[in-house]
Amino acid sequence: AQRVTQPEKPLSVFKGAPVELKCNYSYSGSPELFWYVQYSRQRLQLLLRHISRESIKGFTADLNKGETSFHLKKPFAQEEDSAMYYCALSGRGGGTSYGKLTFGQGTILTVHP
Amino acid sequence: DTEVTQTPKHLVMGMTNKKSLKCEQHMGHRAMYWYKQKAKKPPELMFVYSYEKLSINESVPSRFSPECPNSSLLNLHLHALQPEDSALYLCASSQDQGPSYEQYFGPGTRLTVT
Repeated sequence: AQRVTQPEKPLSVFKGAPVELKCNYSYSGSPELFWYVQYSRQRLQLLLRHISRESIKGFTADLNKGETSFHLKKPFAQEEDSAMYYCALSGRGGGTSYGKLTFGQGTILTVHP
Repeated sequence: DTEVTQTPKHLVMGMTNKKSLKCEQHMGHRAMYWYKQKAKKPPELMFVYSYEKLSINESVPSRFSPECPNSSLLNLHLHALQPEDSALYLCASSQDQGPSYEQYFGPGTRLTVT
């Protein structure tokens, strides 16, 4: 079974402050981890994935297999970062779960001016 | 065209009605998905189609019937729904089915069952 855990408590920071959105996962094999974001009145969209090791909009996320975590970080938050952030896992296992995307509960981030 | 489109945007139906949701993409993607999202909850996978064949059915009740007439189109036929089926129904597509492929989401159809 694959599972993703995110704190449900909303996160509030001030502009320019660092932000870290936490994500832990449970999966017996080697997972693919993603961060999806949903801005107000916009569709759900991919922010970044662990395999590409990119920095998107100043966000980075490192897969820590020892701690089974994939936390999202940004050193200086901006007001336009306010959104719902979902951590998601896709398993490499075969059968009926192949390519199945499982989302965490999501964390709302609010960046105050 | 790099978007997934969904129609209608809103749908209100009674428990005895039959209606359909439509999803379309013209990105040449061969995998298409239906998700259900309740308020303040994450999307939950319902069905996956790969190369126009049903690949995953997450034990969804038979009152939801998916159909993939061609590689660009995905339908969800609804019949005898219950009020608890009211939710946002999201369609997504990806280049192929598999863990490495980004899923592109549509804006959703907000369904209300009365």
